Amino acid sequence: AQKVTQAQTEISVVEKEDVTLDCVYETRDTTYYLFWYKQPPSGELVFLIRRNSFDEQNEISGRYSWNFQKSTSSFNFTITASQVVDSAVYFCALRDTSGTYKYIFGTGTRLKVLA
Amino acid sequence: NAGVTQTPKFQVLKTGQSMTLQCAQDMNHEYMSWYRQDPGMGLRLIHYSVGAGITDQGEVPNGYNVSRSTTEDFPLRLLSAAPSQTSVYFCASSYAGRNSGANVLTFGAGSRLTVL
Repeated sequence: AQKVTQAQTEISVVEKEDVTLDCVYETRDTTYYLFWYKQPPSGELVFLIRRNSFDEQNEISGRYSWNFQKSTSSFNFTITASQVVDSAVYFCALRDTSGTYKYIFGTGTRLKVLA
Repeated sequence: NAGVTQTPKFQVLKTGQSMTLQCAQDMNHEYMSWYRQDPGMGLRLIHYSVGAGITDQGEVPNGYNVSRSTTEDFPLRLLSAAPSQTSVYFCASSYAGRNSGANVLTFGAGSRLTVL
């Protein structure tokens, strides 16, 4: 069965600090997709990044970076020089490709960036 | 460019009442799904569908029914509401396909349901 674990329930940092959000996943599939979504206080869910299981290159987008390591089944998300606007709940998700195509989400990490 | 539209945004029910949460998408997505979000529990999959006439259960299907008569619509029915179903509900859709690169889930704005 697929599973996504986000062990950090809540993280608080001071503005300009770097912060890493952890995501560990379990799947028997050899082909799968991993995602990060952001849920700001307004409540909508915003897509941040998608990574497939064959692409282990790390990705950087501005202050955001993602580290995908198949050896440890992890897909961690780092925010560099955090800002108050980064305060949100962040979800990691895994997409099954074995036939059901369903998406399984972790429990989320609430990030509070203090001014 | 509507995306995923959920109605209603807010609803208060009494225990035992029934209601339907509506979800419609205009992106021709094969895959549609319903999640509930509760504090500390993340997003839990209720039901999903990979095409018209095809539905399947997710992690927490009890107390909910779905149907998929068209590609566009995926309503979620609560047959006899219970206080445990108080939650925020999200509908989401995407393209299906095993290796589809265009498989990002697009979410609706959410529906907040309170069952008294």
